[in-house]
Amino acid sequence: GAVVSQHPSRVICKSGTSVKIECRSLDFQATTMFWYRQFPKKSLMLMATSNEGSKATYEQGVEKDKFLINHASLTLSTLTVTSAHPEDSSFYICSARDLRQAPNEKLFFGSGTQLSVL
Amino acid sequence: QQQVKQSPQSLIVQKGGISIINCAYENTAFDYFPWYQQFPGKGPALLIAIRPDVSEKKEGRFTISFNKSAKQFSLHIMDSQPGDSATYFCAASISGGYNKLIFGAGTRLAVHP
Repeated sequence: GAVVSQHPSRVICKSGTSVKIECRSLDFQATTMFWYRQFPKKSLMLMATSNEGSKATYEQGVEKDKFLINHASLTLSTLTVTSAHPEDSSFYICSARDLRQAPNEKLFFGSGTQLSVL
Repeated sequence: QQQVKQSPQSLIVQKGGISIINCAYENTAFDYFPWYQQFPGKGPALLIAIRPDVSEKKEGRFTISFNKSAKQFSLHIMDSQPGDSATYFCAASISGGYNKLIFGAGTRLAVHP
């Protein structure tokens, strides 16, 4: 299957700092990537849809000024958690769709980033 | 956003047994139903998926059964192994547009030796 690389896998930061998470599609181009958030023992909640060359689309209740998404190329999307606070601590996972594969609804996930804000 | 209901929340199965996880959806526009497996600290991995035009799909030890009229689908893991111990998520999406995946709440499966 297609490979989605996410970095870093784990980050610890102080409250008030910003953290950037990268998501790369390694062997395919992704015009659309998705960012999910997952709390311990909970399901994945879609935060936003990242579109190459245009603004991201955020789900209801997600603060777009808190979670900045940039999709500057067909293989890279970044999520920046700005002015992080302890309540932002969570597991963040990106995903992308490889349109070369059928069905093209197949979604491939990165390995996730565990963010801990002290 | 909870349009896909998954049960049970947790499941314990003996090695060699059959694990069964059920999901129900509300939106009749959904037309793609995948199952994902997730190990702790990792991203979900696609196991198997089905469309509403078939009632069953089998890949190795994994089978999806789909009941369109009841708006339900289930995952069966035959000959369950300790290595299958993970969290399983069902999901649903609508073709076209961005195909946003909506996930169920997840089932934590433990397969005991």
